[in-house]
Amino acid sequence: ETGVTQTPRHLVMGMTNKKSLKCEQHLGHNAMYWYKQSAKKPLELMFVYSLEERVENNSVPSRFSPECPNSSHLFLHLHTLQPEDSALYLCASSQDGLGRFGELFFGEGSRLTVL
Amino acid sequence: DAKTTQPPSMDCAEGRAANLPCNHSTISGNEYVYWYRQIHSQGPQYIIHGLKNNETNEMASLIITEDRKSSTLILPHATLRDTAVYYCIVRVANQAGTALIFGKGTTLSVSS
Repeated sequence: ETGVTQTPRHLVMGMTNKKSLKCEQHLGHNAMYWYKQSAKKPLELMFVYSLEERVENNSVPSRFSPECPNSSHLFLHLHTLQPEDSALYLCASSQDGLGRFGELFFGEGSRLTVL
Repeated sequence: DAKTTQPPSMDCAEGRAANLPCNHSTISGNEYVYWYRQIHSQGPQYIIHGLKNNETNEMASLIITEDRKSSTLILPHATLRDTAVYYCIVRVANQAGTALIFGKGTTLSVSS
C-alpha cells in the first residue's frame, strides 16, 4: 500500500476513444504529478499540480488533459490518442513547502495501450 | 536542477555490497541529492536523500563527497529483490510544485 492509488491498472483504447485515468492519494499531500514512461525511456514529467493549481505543463500535446478537482484527486483525460502514446502513466504526490524535501510517493501506474 | 551522470548498468553478487556512483559536478549549495529506484513495471520508490552529510536508513547509505560533486549509494547486502533501475537526482528542496526530473539511471542486476 503506497498511499497513491491509480485506476485502471490496464487500459486498451482505440484512437477515437475518450477515456480517463484516475489517481487518488491518501497521504494528505499538497502536490500531485503525472509522469509518462515509454518503453526503454526515462520517466517524462507531464504535469504538476500544487495546491490544486497547475504549475507546470511540460509541453504535453493537448490530447492529454489533466484535471485536479481537489488535493486528493488527479485525473488525466485522454482523447484521440496515437499508438505512440502507449506507455505506463505514473501518478505521484508529495508534501512540499518550507522544511520539507518533497519526497515523491508513486502509484503503481496505469498501463495504456492505444490501438 | 543540476544534471547527474550514472553508469548505465552494474552487476552485483547476492549478499555483497552494491556501490552505485553518481556524478553531479554542477550541484549548487541548496540542492539535495535524492535516490529512487524502480523495480520493473512498478512506480519508483524513494530510497534516501542528503545535502552534505552522509546518511543511513534501513534501506541504504548515502555517501556524499566533501565537495558535493559526487555521491555513492550503498546497499550493504544486496538481494535479488534489489534488482532495479536506480536514479540519482539533484533538486532544490522546499520548492513547492517542482517535480523531480529523472534521467536514465543505473540498472543494477543482482545475481545468486
